[in-house]
Amino acid sequence: ELKVEQNPLFLSMQEGKNYTIYCNYSTTSDRLYWYRQDPGKSLESLFVLLSNGAVKQEGRLMASLDTKARLSTLHITAAVHDLSATYFCAVDPNNNAGNMLTFGGGTRLMVKP
Amino acid sequence: DTEVTQTPKHLVMGMTNKKSLKCEQHMGHRAMYWYKQKAKKPPELMFVYSYEKLSINESVPSRFSPECPNSSLLNLHLHALQPEDSALYLCASSQSGTGSYEQYFGPGTRLTVT
Repeated sequence: ELKVEQNPLFLSMQEGKNYTIYCNYSTTSDRLYWYRQDPGKSLESLFVLLSNGAVKQEGRLMASLDTKARLSTLHITAAVHDLSATYFCAVDPNNNAGNMLTFGGGTRLMVKP
Repeated sequence: DTEVTQTPKHLVMGMTNKKSLKCEQHMGHRAMYWYKQKAKKPPELMFVYSYEKLSINESVPSRFSPECPNSSLLNLHLHALQPEDSALYLCASSQSGTGSYEQYFGPGTRLTVT
């Protein structure tokens, strides 16, 4: 059974600071996704990572994938209040059974002025 | 158009009611999904349809009955639900095939079972 673990589960940080969210998973996969969810809202796709060493950046967020370590990171640079949300990583286990995503537990990010 | 729409936005139903959730996409995607999300938890996959056929059922109780009438529509029929079924129900769609494709999520239906 695929397990996906995120840490931290809760992160309170000051504006302007940098931080990294970690996503570990238990089986071989080179298909990893990051989503953002605002309270009471749906999921917004942030990054799609489909190969070892993949790195993608959008604004103050940068995501990377290390398939050998079974680890993805979401790095936040110079955080601003608008980044406050819950961030989920999700892994597709490469088993060709359809795009079955298993989500991590989520990281609730609060950026304080 | 990268939008997935869901109706209704909110639904309150009693344990003896029958209701349906509706999901629609016009992106030409041939895979559609139902997820259940409890408060402060990640989404959990319920069903996957590929080319209008049910391909994955994640051991969901029979009181949830999915239906895919055509490639753009996905329904979730609800009957005799329990209070613990109260949650946000999310629909998603993606391309289908042996690759891995980004899933686009709808806004969800917030269901309360009384």
